[in-house]
Amino acid sequence: AQSVTQLDSQVPVFEEAPVELRCNYSSSVSVYLFWYVQYPNQGLQLLLKYLSGSTLVESINGFEAEFNKSQTSFHLRKPSVHISDTAEYFCAVTPGGYNKLIFGAGTRLAVHP
Amino acid sequence: DTAVSQTPKYLVTQMGNDKSIKCEQNLGHDTMYWYKQDSKKFLKIMFSYNNKELIINETVPNRFSPKSPDKAHLNLHINSLELGDSAVYFCASSQFSGTETQYFGPGTRLLVL
Repeated sequence: AQSVTQLDSQVPVFEEAPVELRCNYSSSVSVYLFWYVQYPNQGLQLLLKYLSGSTLVESINGFEAEFNKSQTSFHLRKPSVHISDTAEYFCAVTPGGYNKLIFGAGTRLAVHP
Repeated sequence: DTAVSQTPKYLVTQMGNDKSIKCEQNLGHDTMYWYKQDSKKFLKIMFSYNNKELIINETVPNRFSPKSPDKAHLNLHINSLELGDSAVYFCASSQFSGTETQYFGPGTRLLVL
């Protein structure tokens, strides 16, 4: 069975400060890793994903995540956040070839001016 | 053009009633999903259909019955609604693969009184 743990339920941060949202996973098979973002009262959107190759993946809006196989982690980082980054962030995995997303509990990122 | 749409957006109903939620995608995907997000924002897959065939059926009560009339539509019918069914229900679609991005609808907020 697979599980995803997001270590922080809420992360408050000031605008232009760096942020890291932590994600660890557990699986007996290989997984693909995803970060999704949910803005208030909206559906989820893909932020970035790791499938294979370079362990550092980037999104178009400045987020990056690094896959660490030995620590079974996929932490999300941004060097300088904006007010508009305020949202719920979900880490997820799909086990092997299966297409069901298994989500963590989410991390609420609150960016303050 | 909305990629994944759901109707209705809000649903308020009494315990014991039967209700349906409709989902349509215009992305040409062959796989569709229903996810449930509870009051603590936890997301869990309920069902997945690939080319109108049920491929994932998590431990969901029999009161929930998905139906896929064609690849572009996946509806969810709920019988004998209970208080615990109150949640946000998200439809999603993708191509069939654990690597593919899932595209989510805006959600249907169900409140059972």
